[in-house]
Amino acid sequence: DAGVIQSPRHEVTEMGQEVTLRCKPISGHNSLFWYRQTMMRGLELLIYFNNNVPIDDSGMPEDRFSAKMPNASFSTLKIQPSEPRDSAVYFCASTQQGLAKNIQYFGAGTRLSVL
Amino acid sequence: DAKTTQPTSMDCAEGRAANLPCNHSTISGNEYVYWYRQIHSQGPQYIIHGLKNNETNEMASLIITEDRKSSTLILPHATLRDTAVYYCIVRVGPVGDYKLSFGAGTTVTVRA
Repeated sequence: DAGVIQSPRHEVTEMGQEVTLRCKPISGHNSLFWYRQTMMRGLELLIYFNNNVPIDDSGMPEDRFSAKMPNASFSTLKIQPSEPRDSAVYFCASTQQGLAKNIQYFGAGTRLSVL
Repeated sequence: DAKTTQPTSMDCAEGRAANLPCNHSTISGNEYVYWYRQIHSQGPQYIIHGLKNNETNEMASLIITEDRKSSTLILPHATLRDTAVYYCIVRVGPVGDYKLSFGAGTTVTVRA
């Protein structure tokens, strides 16, 4: 398996623009997590899905952020409109819930810069 | 939720064992301890996990105290490529609904 695949790897946009980050989880995994990492706040969980259903979105900073998982092999995190304070590295991770081992595998991340 | 406490940073000599401590004094009886690391500019990587027994794999060993209030991650022969931020995490949530909460971690620098 190629692992968790995120795209794009880097995104530079201007304030007010819509940004869409994409994630393809590992085949067979049934849980997907979106994290955001900044120097100030570290690695924060934004939202996670089990079996394509959002379970906990309490980490989503505000209504400008939304996430979807239309099927088991694809998820998006959208920011509309984007602001400079959204600049961060966004990671996606997936795992197979229900297993005792329950390892989360992370993608390489998307580095977002909002000017 | 159980919280963890780790030293902010530590240095280690190449080829020597690196012992990374972690305190989790409020851990519950069925909560696992996980260790991840993050090499600069990469996504976090799983290292090892355990409940109450000591564990070993190809990357590291995990020693959990009998009262489970603390643990130590051991990198047996540290290399320069082990320089990273190491996170000790207590997995929380009911069965089938687990999630991880990352703290600040320990920045480990392996020196030649």
